[in-house]
Amino acid sequence: DIVLTQSPDSLAVSLGERATINCKSSQRVLFTSNNKNHLAWYQQKPGQPPKLLIYWASTRESGVPDRFSGSGSGTDFTLTISSLQAEDVAVYYCQQYYSPPYTFGQGTRLDIK
Amino acid sequence: QLQLQESGPGLVKPSETLSLTCTVSDVSISSSDYFWGWIRQPPGKGLEWIGSIYNSGSSYDNPSLQSRVTMSIDTSNNQFSLKMSSVTAADTALYYCARHVSVGGGWWPDYFDSWGQGTLVTVSS
Repeated sequence: DIVLTQSPDSLAVSLGERATINCKSSQRVLFTSNNKNHLAWYQQKPGQPPKLLIYWASTRESGVPDRFSGSGSGTDFTLTISSLQAEDVAVYYCQQYYSPPYTFGQGTRLDIK
Repeated sequence: QLQLQESGPGLVKPSETLSLTCTVSDVSISSSDYFWGWIRQPPGKGLEWIGSIYNSGSSYDNPSLQSRVTMSIDTSNNQFSLKMSSVTAADTALYYCARHVSVGGGWWPDYFDSWGQGTLVTVSS
């Protein structure tokens, strides 16, 4: 199975500041046939289901604010929130879909400093 | 607007079978671009993929569940279902159904773009 390790486990950022969450995969998730990284990011607020933010490592889902961006390739990926808003407090997960079984990172809790 | 709604017993006894159904609204479950998946989340913990099924009935499931999982799909009622046998306390979790997008051109689906609200299943005698 592909293991995804997120860092840090938690972080606190001031409103308006940048937040960065990392996701490292135990193997490359770049599919050579389509030249795409098979990695997604989700946001889960308390009491809610996860919400898709980013897919193909860097494609923002429709309706997601442009302060959210994804980057990286191969085994190392980053979710960046350029200017943290109060409503961004949540747990964030990465997920690989390079091959089943689909796996998620352990989650990163983001709070306001 | 796509909606997914999980339903089923909230309490299951150890060694028995957990059964859940997901009813999909406003989108046909027969669409060729999607699988339909199950993901669970133990209280206070992370996400675990259980399995996903296509409208043809073909499916993928997580080997870590040791063949305890059976999925089915009912296109006439726009529903899909999960059965998990021989449950233990470790199967206590919030169970989500989700739409599993399949547009990447690969052999299997990709990311989950819509999720139900989840249903809590507790395994206890």
